Amino acid sequence: NAGVTQTPKFQVLKTGQSMTLQCAQDMNHEYMSWYRQDPGMGLRLIHYSVGAGITDQGEVPNGYNVSRSTTEDFPLRLLSAAPSQTSVYFCASSNARPGRTSSYNSPLHFGNGTRLTVT
Amino acid sequence: TQLLEQSPQFLSIQEGENLTVYCNSSSVFSSLQWYRQEPGEGPVLLVTVVTGGEVKKLKRLTFQFGDARKDSSLHITAAQPGDTGLYLCAGANAGNMLTFGGGTRLMVKP
Repeated sequence: NAGVTQTPKFQVLKTGQSMTLQCAQDMNHEYMSWYRQDPGMGLRLIHYSVGAGITDQGEVPNGYNVSRSTTEDFPLRLLSAAPSQTSVYFCASSNARPGRTSSYNSPLHFGNGTRLTVT
Repeated sequence: TQLLEQSPQFLSIQEGENLTVYCNSSSVFSSLQWYRQEPGEGPVLLVTVVTGGEVKKLKRLTFQFGDARKDSSLHITAAQPGDTGLYLCAGANAGNMLTFGGGTRLMVKP
């Protein structure tokens, strides 16, 4: 199993450019999420989805859009990149929603991240 | 926003020493997870604690969930260089979100 696959691994953008970070999972997980990781701040939730056609905002959603047209894919779009969006982005999936009893034995599976630099 | 504060932020110790990492919040969580992350990779789950006062052991790692389910600790006995990494706690509530702490970066020197 490939698990959670993120592309690209590295990306450099100029301020104002747009791009899409791709995330795909082959585990038939209903729950998918995007985090950003900055030094000293752990991981902060950007957006999440509990199933195809359903998305919701996390802690830091401004400047990012998501869609979930299939169970497998959960792309993250930056419409107009800003230097403050320089970060490492992680996609994660699980077969249970966090906080539900069913999640206790169902961890988040993370991709290996996309390192984004906005100049 | 439910905040999870981890301490210490950085820890550098010699092989064989013991250490404890703390994860504290003013909020109650239905469950709390500990992850370990290595450079260039995503976090990997170590353990989930669910019940207040629960203690779980994973070889030399001991995890405890506070009685009020607001805090947790990770204790490593006789640390080894292979324990080096970023340790993250994460709390879950009924809102479908997993909130992460800021992490503790551990370096174990041989």
